[in-house]
Amino acid sequence: QLLLQESGPGLVKPSETLSLTCTVSGGSISTRNYYWGWIRQPPGKGLEWIGTIYYSGSTYYSPSLKSRVTISVGTSNSQFSLKLSSVTAADTAVYYCASAPQGYILTGYYIYWGQGTLVTVSS
Amino acid sequence: SYVLTQPPSVSVAPGQTARITCGGNNIGSKSVHWYQQKSGQAPVVVVYDDNDRPSGIPERFSGSNSGNTATLTISRVEAGDEADYYCQVLDSSSDRLWVFGGGTKLTVL
Repeated sequence: QLLLQESGPGLVKPSETLSLTCTVSGGSISTRNYYWGWIRQPPGKGLEWIGTIYYSGSTYYSPSLKSRVTISVGTSNSQFSLKLSSVTAADTAVYYCASAPQGYILTGYYIYWGQGTLVTVSS
Repeated sequence: SYVLTQPPSVSVAPGQTARITCGGNNIGSKSVHWYQQKSGQAPVVVVYDDNDRPSGIPERFSGSNSGNTATLTISRVEAGDEADYYCQVLDSSSDRLWVFGGGTKLTVL
């Protein structure tokens, strides 16, 4: 079983870049077995997919955020990260990292989730 | 882009059956996943690939998917089932895009 934990600043100023890291324990990022994703949830609202990365480096981004998002694998085998540029108050949300298993085919369900971290965009 | 539509709320008495729908264009051709999110907690997948359950999820949770509608069915509803429920698919029509429905608040009366 994998454990995921998000970390990063809880407060970011408008127009700056939000940066978060997801640390994975119980397994390696460099595996064919999982895709690694970021999902966010504004206060009182629903889940919004941000993007996903595979160990090979392939990335998939939400069309609505694509111009501002970068997801990458860290230098260690246990971390991947999210960068969201030019943030506004609308980017205030709980940010989750999660993993989707690559079975016979990829169907895309997230089986393991971090506990989430609240990021507030405010001056 | 692909859109999933859920009713904002569903109410059911304890012991009854709750059905939460998720509408999408030809959703029956996709694998649908359902998440339960209790207040202040991270989502938990309760049904994946239309009608499979992860270990630890009660058999009371089941899913179906056909045509333009997928359904999460919760039998013998308990007070502890009160939560927000989200459907989700992977849209691979042009690229790999993960899509969530807007969520349904299940209230146990």
